Amino acid sequence: EAQVTQNPRYLITVTGKKLTVTCSQNMNHEYMSWYRQDPGLGLRQIYYSMNVEVTDKGDVPEGYKVSRKEKRNFPLILESPSPNQTSLYFCASSPNPLNYGYTFGSGTRLTVV
Amino acid sequence: DQQVKQNSPSLSVQEGRISILNCDYTNSMFDYFLWYKKYPAEGPTFLISISSIKDKNEDGRFTVFLNKSAKHLSLHIVPSQPGDSAVYFCGAGSYQLTFGKGTKLSVIP
Repeated sequence: EAQVTQNPRYLITVTGKKLTVTCSQNMNHEYMSWYRQDPGLGLRQIYYSMNVEVTDKGDVPEGYKVSRKEKRNFPLILESPSPNQTSLYFCASSPNPLNYGYTFGSGTRLTVV
Repeated sequence: DQQVKQNSPSLSVQEGRISILNCDYTNSMFDYFLWYKKYPAEGPTFLISISSIKDKNEDGRFTVFLNKSAKHLSLHIVPSQPGDSAVYFCGAGSYQLTFGKGTKLSVIP
């Protein structure tokens, strides 16, 4: 089944403890992206990647890192999480997000206490 | 400053009628405009897109209209069905995509 898989689905962590949210897609898509969804703010893009080793900042990249060493994987790294990074995170992939849109994963709900 | 605005947080429509969801943007450099639908506890689902060189794109019950002079786009759903009840996000830009805050559509049977 063609899909975008994020792990974990739920995570509670403490301020300052480094964490990684993994994202993997099995559709051989060039483009991948991370979004966060917050009440009253909608979806905001964190980072996106147009291919292996090519990444760029979205609207809200502060406090996040990404890497694209392989086409299928696009992990999101929070080096020192803070409570304002408590959010619902979505990973997405696409062959071309402008014409075909993104296929989104099911989301990771992160709570930083 | 919010570059993509969906000014109606919610909309209720009778089943079978037309649903019109609106979106305004401020950046005239945006190349593409997209609509996504989102159900609770799921990721967003791509519905339809339109490039800035067009003013209309249709896909089944969904039609997107783009008015570049007014920096306005709208999504028409005809006829509306109860399964269309969801939050709809308008997105604009290029590979860096900016979304509005969403409009919750409720289709009443």
